[in-house]
Amino acid sequence: QSALTQPASVSGSPGQSITISCTGTNSDVGAYNYVSWYQQHPDKAPKLMIYEVSNRPSGVPDRFSGSKSGNTASLTISGLQAEDDADYYCSSYTTISTMIFGGGTKLTVL
Amino acid sequence: QVQLQESGPGLVKPSETLSLTCSISGGSISAFYWYWIRQSAGKGLEWIGRFYGSGSAHYNPSLKSRVTISVDASKNQVSLRLTSVTAADTAVYYCARDDLGVGASAVYWGQGTQVTVSS
Repeated sequence: QSALTQPASVSGSPGQSITISCTGTNSDVGAYNYVSWYQQHPDKAPKLMIYEVSNRPSGVPDRFSGSKSGNTASLTISGLQAEDDADYYCSSYTTISTMIFGGGTKLTVL
Repeated sequence: QVQLQESGPGLVKPSETLSLTCSISGGSISAFYWYWIRQSAGKGLEWIGRFYGSGSAHYNPSLKSRVTISVDASKNQVSLRLTSVTAADTAVYYCARDDLGVGASAVYWGQGTQVTVSS
C-alpha cells in the first residue's frame, strides 16, 4: 500500500484559512468515510483532530474542519493561530482492513 | 483518563528481535482497538498494525511477515514483536488506542519510545 499524497508544506498568516489535501485511491480514501487527521508538534506524539472525515473529538476547536470528495480528503483550518504551526497527517482505513497514513504536511504560520 | 506508556530496549542489534510493551492505565484492554505506529527521524507516520481485544489482528502488508501484536489483559499491556530488524526499523514507536469502535482512528497515544537498530 502506498502512502496517501499530501502537499509537503503549506503556509498562511494568522487569521487566514488554509486547506491541506490528502489524495488516495478507491481502496482507501474513496472506499469509506474513515479519514482521520492528526496534528503533531515537534517531539510530541500526534493528536487526533478529525475522525470519520469531518468529526471533531471533544476539545478540538471548531476552526478545524474536514471534508471529502471522491478519493481526496481535505482539512481546513480557519482563523489560523500561531499554535497551529505543526505537521499534519491524514490517515484512512483501507479495503484490506489496514490503515494508511499520508506523507505529512508542514504548516507554517507566518 | 487513559494513559499509555511504551517501554523496551532503546538499542537492538541487526537481525535480532525488537520487543516493546505498552502499559495501559485508566481503561480496559479488551473493549478497544490497539495500534502500533512508528516514525523514523524526520519522516512521516507508518502504521504497523492493529489488535482488537477479542483477538483479531491486522498488519501493514510490508511488515506482516515480521510483526506480531498481542495483548496481555492480566497485565494491562499491549506488546509489539518485530523480528529480523535492520537499520530501517530505527524509529520512535508509539502505541495508541481507538475508542471509536471502528479500527480507523488512533484517539489516545503514548509518548513514544525511541528504538535504534545498530551493532
